[in-house]
Amino acid sequence: SYELTQPPSVSVSPGQTARVTCSGDKLGGKYVSWYQQRPGQSPVLVIYQDDERPSGIPERFSGSNSGNTATLTISGTQPMDEAEYYCQAWDNSLYVFGSGTRVTVL
Amino acid sequence: QMQLVESGGGLVTPGGSLRLSCVSSGLAFGNYYMAWLRQSPEKGLEWLAYISTSGSDTNYADSVKGRVTISRDNAKKAIYLQMNTLRADDTGVYYCARDWQQMGVYYFDSWGQGTLVTVSS
Repeated sequence: SYELTQPPSVSVSPGQTARVTCSGDKLGGKYVSWYQQRPGQSPVLVIYQDDERPSGIPERFSGSNSGNTATLTISGTQPMDEAEYYCQAWDNSLYVFGSGTRVTVL
Repeated sequence: QMQLVESGGGLVTPGGSLRLSCVSSGLAFGNYYMAWLRQSPEKGLEWLAYISTSGSDTNYADSVKGRVTISRDNAKKAIYLQMNTLRADDTGVYYCARDWQQMGVYYFDSWGQGTLVTVSS
């Protein structure tokens, strides 16, 4: 079965750029979505189709996908961005999620 | 944005059954695929099943195939998840979500608040 690999954690200082990676075999050939989940809340879609932002998602969130790695970038990270982030792809008619990355804003 | 509210979770003994419901308050419910997902500390976020707009097309994750059935009632703007032969590792928070499946793009753009299912003796 297809697997997506994420680092367990990423730390970033306020105002700096956080990058969360998601790796999978030939992932660049698939569309990747990203979800933010704050403690005690449901996941929220922040990026779809590799680099598209849903309405209401701040411009500081961006995405890219090439080769075997997709990246979620948070520019000018704010304390409110502290959350768990999950990548997701579609493979062989099934949805696959990464294990999640905890972004800590120090 | 579609508002989704799940219900039906609770404590169930291993081998038991449970039926989850998810009601939408959004417009055009019948125009969208819908899905069930769950989350647990052990398995993380996991997609379980999706259902097409008419209900004629469904698909399941291997972890639940044969034990769960997804269904929908467009008149009631609701989807359901019938779960049978429950196991301890089915414990988790169950979410319903709107499932966007168009032109090779697949994602979940609206989520409910979740309902907790605990399988324990």
